[in-house]
Amino acid sequence: ETGVTQTPRHLVMGMTNKKSLKCEQHLGHNAMYWYKQSAKKPLELMFVYNFKEQTENNSVPSRFSPECPNSSHLFLHLHTLQPEDSALYLCASSQEAQAPYEQYFGPGTRLTVT
Amino acid sequence: AQTVTQSQPEMSVQEAETVTLSCTYDTSESNYYLFWYKQPPSRQMILVIRQEAYKQQNATENRFSVNFQKAAKSFSLKISDSQLGDTAMYFCAFMGAFQGAQKLVFGQGTRLTINP
Repeated sequence: ETGVTQTPRHLVMGMTNKKSLKCEQHLGHNAMYWYKQSAKKPLELMFVYNFKEQTENNSVPSRFSPECPNSSHLFLHLHTLQPEDSALYLCASSQEAQAPYEQYFGPGTRLTVT
Repeated sequence: AQTVTQSQPEMSVQEAETVTLSCTYDTSESNYYLFWYKQPPSRQMILVIRQEAYKQQNATENRFSVNFQKAAKSFSLKISDSQLGDTAMYFCAFMGAFQGAQKLVFGQGTRLTINP
């Protein structure tokens, strides 16, 4: 596998479910990001991890809980979501977060909350 | 806070034509970076071109070039000899320093369709 991969690609969950999104990068990068892409809205940065440390939480509700066990893996744990949380969730990575390196994106997880 | 505005939600041109996508941004920073990303239908977003604000020369990548007007805070993307594979959402993005982390701020996107 190369680049940035995300699983699952599609997820339908009820408002009371708990699920997790997984992201893995095979680029040797040290920074990883979660973005939310909603219809007719710009991509919104949610979280930034640099060398496994969270460096940015962009006022994201606590029903979204990120986890970065190592520089290659990033998770987004979801619980008690709302229908407005339905969106495409994109993971990205870069060499590091403290310099303007190119960000490489995964294919995204299409989340539908029913 | 930085903002990025793409005023063209959708554009459509014929194959082989030249098309220009508009982008304006607002920032008080003097040093920053600008990007154009391409998101083809159901495919991953990829970087098309980047521009450093301290460079006066406009960036070019094969058929893709930018017109960077720093004073006007404008950063347009020109696609020459457009191809069917150029059909995609195009996002303009700004990156400046914020509390040490380099954050990307995206515009709303322009959906570009290349017709045969």
